[in-house]
Order: sequence, then structure tokens, then C-alpha cells
Amino acid sequence: DAKTTQPNSMESNEEEPVHLPCNHSTISGTDYIHWYRQLPSQGPEYVIHGLTSNVNNRMASLAIAEDRKSSTLILHRATLRDAAVYYCILGSGNTPLVFGKGTRLSVIA
Amino acid sequence: DVKVTQSSRYLVKRTGEKVFLECVQDMDHENMFWYRQDPGLGLRLIYFSYDVKMKEKGDIPEGYSVSREKKERFSLILESASTNQTSMYLCASSPPRRGPSSYEQYFGPGTRLTVT
Repeated sequence: DAKTTQPNSMESNEEEPVHLPCNHSTISGTDYIHWYRQLPSQGPEYVIHGLTSNVNNRMASLAIAEDRKSSTLILHRATLRDAAVYYCILGSGNTPLVFGKGTRLSVIA
Repeated sequence: DVKVTQSSRYLVKRTGEKVFLECVQDMDHENMFWYRQDPGLGLRLIYFSYDVKMKEKGDIPEGYSVSREKKERFSLILESASTNQTSMYLCASSPPRRGPSSYEQYFGPGTRLTVT
């Protein structure tokens, strides 16, 4: 399985932007970059995914490096409800997603 | 609204009991998955299924089996529960990933199983 590396934890102030990094130097040409998050006492939920180009949706933005060896999930204005574990996952085809340990984001009021 | 439901939020069983964890999705998804989540270990894939009556082993299938008799239902079975199977169990479903628009995996709320 292609692997990703994320910081164990990060902290942000409320209403400030948050940049969550992910390194994936062994990414293959067919791997999509997925981000999920898990709020306390809930199952993970999808955030965003992309292949080569930057992506935006109502929850976040995904910035993908030109060589695709790293990506950054951007939360434009962190709220207390964004405190969660964020997972960066590579996947292609119909193979199951393999979750790592993710980054625990704390948001300070 | 899409939904994955799991039969129980909390379950307490005794060592040696046979345990059934049920998962139902209402999105007509082909793919279904069972994970377990333990502190410090993240989510680990137990079994998955791409279609009715199909099953594939994940990373940690030992001590578990699965059943998928209907498309919407995927059951995880602990043949003889042991204390090391105390964990949070998460079920998920997804459409088959054939293109860029079909990569979203939907999770249930989880079942916290305690084996005593």
C-alpha cells in the first residue's frame, strides 16, 4: 500500500485558516489523494479528494503539489466543530482505503 | 440523506460467545467494509465485500468471519469472542470506484464491543 506521513497533532485558533500537511512520496500515477475526518464518538466522514489539480468544496480545499508527493488540506476558517482526527489516504481503483493514524487537530477558542 | 446503520452502539458479551454485528446501508452500494479501531492503532480493515456473497480478507481477518446474503446488509461474526476483540467496530459502504466521482466512503456510527 502507498503510504502517507502526517503530523500526529496540530493546533489552531478558532476562525483562523488551518493547513494540514501530508507527504506521500511513493504515490503512483493512478492514486487519488483522499481526506477523511473523524469527529469525537463518530465514524469517519469524507472531506475531499483529488488527483492532480487543486480541489475546493464546501468543507475544505485540497492543494496538491506539482510532483504529487505532498498535499495540504486547507480549512479556511477553523471552528470548534472542526476539532477531529484528519486522515490523508491514497487509493486507486476499487481497492479499500487504508487509514493511518491521522492528525489530531485541536481548535482553541 | 445517505445512511449506514449498525445494529448496536454498545454491546457487552462474554468470552466464548458468538457475536453478530449487523450493518445495513440504504444507498444500493456494491462495496461494504468492516474496520476496527483501537487507541494508537487507527482503523484497521477486517473484511470487505464487493458484491452479494463475495468477501475478501482485509489486514486482520483472524477470529472473524462475514456474511453478505443481501446487497444492503453486511454482517461481521465473531465465532468465539475473546477479550482482545474488545474494540470499536465501524462499518462502511461505497459505490464501486470506477471514476473520479465515486470515491466517497460512508461510515456508520460504530459499535463499541466489550468482551469480558
